Amino acid sequence: GNSVTQMEGPVTLSEEAFLTINCTYTATGYPSLFWYVQYPGEGLQLLLKATKADDKGSNKGFEATYRKETTSFHLEKGSVQVSDSAVYFCALSENTGGFKTIFGAGTRLFVKA
Amino acid sequence: NAGVTQTPKFQVLKTGQSMTLQCAQDMNHEYMSWYRQDPGMGLRLIHYSVGAGITDQGEVPNGYNVSRSTTEDFPLRLLSAAPSQTSVYFCASSYSGTVHTYEQYFGPGTRLTVT
Repeated sequence: GNSVTQMEGPVTLSEEAFLTINCTYTATGYPSLFWYVQYPGEGLQLLLKATKADDKGSNKGFEATYRKETTSFHLEKGSVQVSDSAVYFCALSENTGGFKTIFGAGTRLFVKA
Repeated sequence: NAGVTQTPKFQVLKTGQSMTLQCAQDMNHEYMSWYRQDPGMGLRLIHYSVGAGITDQGEVPNGYNVSRSTTEDFPLRLLSAAPSQTSVYFCASSYSGTVHTYEQYFGPGTRLTVT
């Protein structure tokens, strides 16, 4: 079945450090890939998405590239801020006939001033 | 637009009690889902609906009931609460759009404690 695996946290970084959160997936067909972010006490919100191979999703300085050959969708940011502290979820949804979204376990990021 | 709204925000139940978690969306989305979030386990799908009158089970449906009589509302019923149902519950809606990406729009969540 479909699945998403992302690196375990927590990840602790100093402000302005480079961030990478790894995500790999298993899926049949051609899924869309997402990163969602959850700030403390809130629901998840979409951070970025990519719908086909080699697409790069980007938002708020974060970016991720859909790599079909390595089945990966790693999240990166060049310079993190304290306000980026949150839990990040990698997710996929099948594009053909179904809409169910499969989520990874989430990676908590702490950014220190 | 209010987006996806959930009530209540917090709830404490005793074992065996029943209750309904409310969810509504005003975006005319055809798809709605209920997830539970537990530490270290990400989000797990409880039930989902692809339109009014159509519901189906997700990954962890036992102990929960849903119905969808309108496009806007998708309540989740706990039939007889158990401590294992202590969790944070999220309702989400989505639509297929032209590219069929199904990105999800989440409510703020309900934190449920069963004692």
